[in-house]
Amino acid sequence: KQEVTQIPAALSVPEGENLVLNCSFTDSAIYNLQWFRQDPGKGLTSLLLIQSSQREQTSGRLNASLDKSSGRSTLYIAASQPGDSATYLCAVRENRDDKIIFGKGTRLHILP
Amino acid sequence: EAQVTQNPRYLITVTGKKLTVTCSQNMNHEYMSWYRQDPGLGLRQIYYSMNVEVTDKGDVPEGYKVSRKEKRNFPLILESPSPNQTSLYFCASSLSRRENTIYFGEGSWLTVV
Repeated sequence: KQEVTQIPAALSVPEGENLVLNCSFTDSAIYNLQWFRQDPGKGLTSLLLIQSSQREQTSGRLNASLDKSSGRSTLYIAASQPGDSATYLCAVRENRDDKIIFGKGTRLHILP
Repeated sequence: EAQVTQNPRYLITVTGKKLTVTCSQNMNHEYMSWYRQDPGLGLRQIYYSMNVEVTDKGDVPEGYKVSRKEKRNFPLILESPSPNQTSLYFCASSLSRRENTIYFGEGSWLTVV
């Protein structure tokens, strides 16, 4: 059964720093991987979608990478800002049945 | 504006009283799904639908029903709610089965007493 793990569960960094969030998955038979942002009490907003055939995607200060064979993805945030404070979740879409499995998220706090 | 709309956003109900949470999307998406989010357990998929009249169980379908009679609507039905169904529920949609970004509704806070 697919398991998606995000480490660390929480992270605090000073404003301006570059940071990396990690996501790992146990079954490499995925169709794609997506990173989301969730603000407290709100829905999820998609940040980046990486297809299984791709290695990375970029949007502004965000860069997501995917190494399917090793079951890992990273989300790189450059020049962090207080507005980046949120919970970041990754999710994989499985090949065989289209189920979407989420990690439990990393709660990020950017210190002004 | 492209969106996924859920109603109600907040509901307190009693054990055993049937309720329906509606979900509607205006993007002509084929794929729709329901999730529940619980502290320490994260987001778990309840049911999903790849098109009209096609629905499949996710990881936690027990106690829930869904229907997909029209492309835009995907209601979640709790026939006999129980306190362990107290949770934050999200509806989501994407254009096709696999290719596209997933869009989420704002969430429905459900409390069963």
